[in-house]
Amino acid sequence: QVQLQESGPGLVNPSETLSLTCTVSGGSISSYYWSWIRQPPGKGLEWIGYIYYSGSTRYNPSLESRVTISVDTSKNQFSLKLSSVTAADTAVYYCARAGGYGGQFAYWGQGTLVTASS
Amino acid sequence: QSALTQPASVSGSPGQSITISCTGTSSDVGGYNYVSWYQQHPGKAPKLMIYDVTKRPSGVSNRFSGSKSGNTASLTISGLQTEDEADYYCSSYTSSSTLVFGGGTKLTVL
Repeated sequence: QVQLQESGPGLVNPSETLSLTCTVSGGSISSYYWSWIRQPPGKGLEWIGYIYYSGSTRYNPSLESRVTISVDTSKNQFSLKLSSVTAADTAVYYCARAGGYGGQFAYWGQGTLVTASS
Repeated sequence: QSALTQPASVSGSPGQSITISCTGTSSDVGGYNYVSWYQQHPGKAPKLMIYDVTKRPSGVSNRFSGSKSGNTASLTISGLQTEDEADYYCSSYTSSSTLVFGGGTKLTVL
């Protein structure tokens, strides 16, 4: 059974860079599309972007200037970097696996709350 | 890209059927058969209920079904059960090769 686990700091200072890693177990990261999705407290889901195992990426246009998603196939991990964070970036961040580029997210991590505050 | 439009809330009684709509444009919902639906209980990660407009993942009850007409996709839940009470989100692939979610719908089972 494929499992995903997010890891990283739960608190980030405003203007600094948020960094999270998703570790995939129970299956190879090769093939499939790997995504980051976030959910501000009490609000809806927002797609951040995805990376194909080969390294090709697509990002949400509203975040594209601040987002980088990368993959490390040797460690079965993919990562998110979001620069210049503000309080508006406070959210639960999920990593997820899509069956294809159409976004069929069948596998999700448990989510990790990241708070942007000094 | 703008979020897909969903009703903020819907409600129904046990045993009844409800439908949740998800309205987009010809650049997302109307242009591709890549609409998915997710169920989210409080404090939990979302769960895939429908993908590619009408397909149901293994293990999902056949009480859940999806459809699409023009720029609007719909999720229908028949034979409502108390455990169906949750938030529901739609998502779609877009002409920019990105993904977009709906704003979410809170389902209350009375």
